[in-house]
Amino acid sequence: ETGVTQTPRHLVMGMTNKKSLKCEQHLGHNAMYWYKQSAKKPLELMFVYNFKEQTENNSVPSRFSPECPNSSHLFLHLHTLQPEDSALYLCASSQGRGLDTGELFFGEGSRLTVL
Amino acid sequence: GQQVMQIPQYQHVQEGEDFTTYCNSSTTLSNIQWYKQRPGGHPVFLIQLVKSGEVKKQKRLTFQFGEAKKNSSLHITATQTTDVGTYFCAGPDLYSGTYKYIFGTGTRLKVLA
Repeated sequence: ETGVTQTPRHLVMGMTNKKSLKCEQHLGHNAMYWYKQSAKKPLELMFVYNFKEQTENNSVPSRFSPECPNSSHLFLHLHTLQPEDSALYLCASSQGRGLDTGELFFGEGSRLTVL
Repeated sequence: GQQVMQIPQYQHVQEGEDFTTYCNSSTTLSNIQWYKQRPGGHPVFLIQLVKSGEVKKQKRLTFQFGEAKKNSSLHITATQTTDVGTYFCAGPDLYSGTYKYIFGTGTRLKVLA
């Protein structure tokens, strides 16, 4: 139990589907992250939210749409995905305050397969 | 943009042998962190180094931060099968003004019994 919970753990979707990944952290952290992990790029940062404000969008295609309604919840809305988007999507959180941002706490990930 | 490279990409060792992975950043880092990801698992934080030239030990693991704060290493003495996994270094890209961690490419360790 890392204090960061991701659902669903596994997701299979067609290219025309719309689905969402959910992340919840119980650590009182201020920053939350989405990372993509695939065989080609081990840990690729997608989005960063700090105090619910998006501070980073790492050139992610618009078919990925993040949402952070509060500091404890983070969503990744998926639509019109491509097979190459199949990967493990990891959510993480950290203190996100000052120069010492602190360690990242990762969830167990959502394994996405796009058919 | 900032890049963090690790070498080697893969390492197979016999149980009991030593192992070292090296991390090099294209920019100076305010601190560096190390994570371990077991097969099928998620990255788990191991340690953070902050000071130039800092060396920290955790049992059989020795972590070092370079004097210029652009490189780091992780050394495991007398590997065990429980050491299997991928080791990542990560540094915050504070020059971008965001709370962004740049992860290294990772070193996958296999330990042969």
